Amino acid sequence: EAGVAQSPRYKIIEKRQSVAFWCNPISGHATLYWYQQILGQGPKLLIQFQNNGVVDDSQLPKDRFSAERLKGVDSTLKIQPAKLEDSAVYLCASSLELAFTDTQYFGPGTRLTVL
Amino acid sequence: ILNVEQSPQSLHVQEGDSTNFTCSFPSSNFYALHWYRWETAKSPEALFVMTLNGDEKKKGRISATLNTKEGYSYLYIKGSQPEDSATYLCAPKEDSSYKLIFGSGTRLLVRP
Repeated sequence: EAGVAQSPRYKIIEKRQSVAFWCNPISGHATLYWYQQILGQGPKLLIQFQNNGVVDDSQLPKDRFSAERLKGVDSTLKIQPAKLEDSAVYLCASSLELAFTDTQYFGPGTRLTVL
Repeated sequence: ILNVEQSPQSLHVQEGDSTNFTCSFPSSNFYALHWYRWETAKSPEALFVMTLNGDEKKKGRISATLNTKEGYSYLYIKGSQPEDSATYLCAPKEDSSYKLIFGSGTRLLVRP
């Protein structure tokens, strides 16, 4: 079974530029998550989709971050404009359904550096 | 947002040593606890999902216990190997939002 795919793996941009990340979840997984992991901290949930609807985006900085999940499969996360503090690893994860015990499967992440 | 604490922050051990880490979380409204292992340049990998007070799970040389009444979980590694070097993350789910709230992790380095 193919895992969660993410691209690009690395991205370096200057502040105020825009950037987009792509995620392809495991086939058949209804739930998709985007996390931000800043160095020295645990991953923080930014947004959670169930199929193509948003379940939770309470920690997404909506003035600069946006995300969509077209047709309930692939997803993109965009930052516009980027700030220095957005430097982090952006992880995408998927799970079969919304459940307390459901395992989330993670992609390798995109490491973003904002200069 | 609930407070999840992991200790120690980092740990260096010799190959063959056994070691353990702690994850502390508020015990009210507990639903489940997830443990993940994250090796450098790889994807975080699920280790265990635990739900019941007194749960014990084992996977090879790695095991975990759960105390939901006092709000902690221990992860044990028996006979550490260099390939166990990784960051170990715990993440409880404490309300009906299904969100994982991750601790900052314990970074383990096993010296050959």
